[in-house]
Amino acid sequence: DQQVKQNSPSLSVQEGRISILNCDYTNSMFDYFLWYKKYPAEGPTFLISISSIKDKNEDGRFTVFLNKSAKHLSLHIVPSQPGDSAVYFCAGTSGSARQLTFGSGTQLTVLP
Amino acid sequence: GAVVSQHPSWVICKSGTSVKIECRSLDFQATTMFWYRQFPKQSLMLMATSNEGSKATYEQGVEKDKFLINHASLTLSTLTVTSAHPEDSSFYICSARQGAETQYFGPGTRLLVL
Repeated sequence: DQQVKQNSPSLSVQEGRISILNCDYTNSMFDYFLWYKKYPAEGPTFLISISSIKDKNEDGRFTVFLNKSAKHLSLHIVPSQPGDSAVYFCAGTSGSARQLTFGSGTQLTVLP
Repeated sequence: GAVVSQHPSWVICKSGTSVKIECRSLDFQATTMFWYRQFPKQSLMLMATSNEGSKATYEQGVEKDKFLINHASLTLSTLTVTSAHPEDSSFYICSARQGAETQYFGPGTRLLVL
């Protein structure tokens, strides 16, 4: 059972435009969500997070939106830059151990 | 963000040997560290949760006698792949939790077992 789903394996966006990466989850116990960016053969880099008590969190070019009723979150990157090209993972966490459950990732390609 | 290092970054070993991977939180103390494994074109799969001063908690399907985890201090956790076989070849990544929520990841270790 995939508790966190990223249904789009890839996304291409023109430089300067907005990138929207989507994530759905099924586990209603998740109370915190995180987005990570990953390059091949490297560990994930933390980008931004959001608590389940909020519906929006913004940090520079990155904004995460959470729709709890739809069990859906999205990451907006604006303006997109070629250096943003990477695989983006969303993750949910719950419980005392705070283990992360990752989605399958979305490969973002920002075209110059 | 916080810095987590892993050593070695890559290792090649013969089948049957044991390999130790170190994970260090460089600028913060982490009571909890996590070990993940990533296969090509797949997501990160949690292997185990490492708690300082206590036994690790392994995910279902992960052999605790094969993947030995030691979290001896607040800044160091080690993963030892014992009697490694070619199917253990993978990309192993650790993370350390800072505060209540955010995990910071190491750069990963590529293991190739011949």
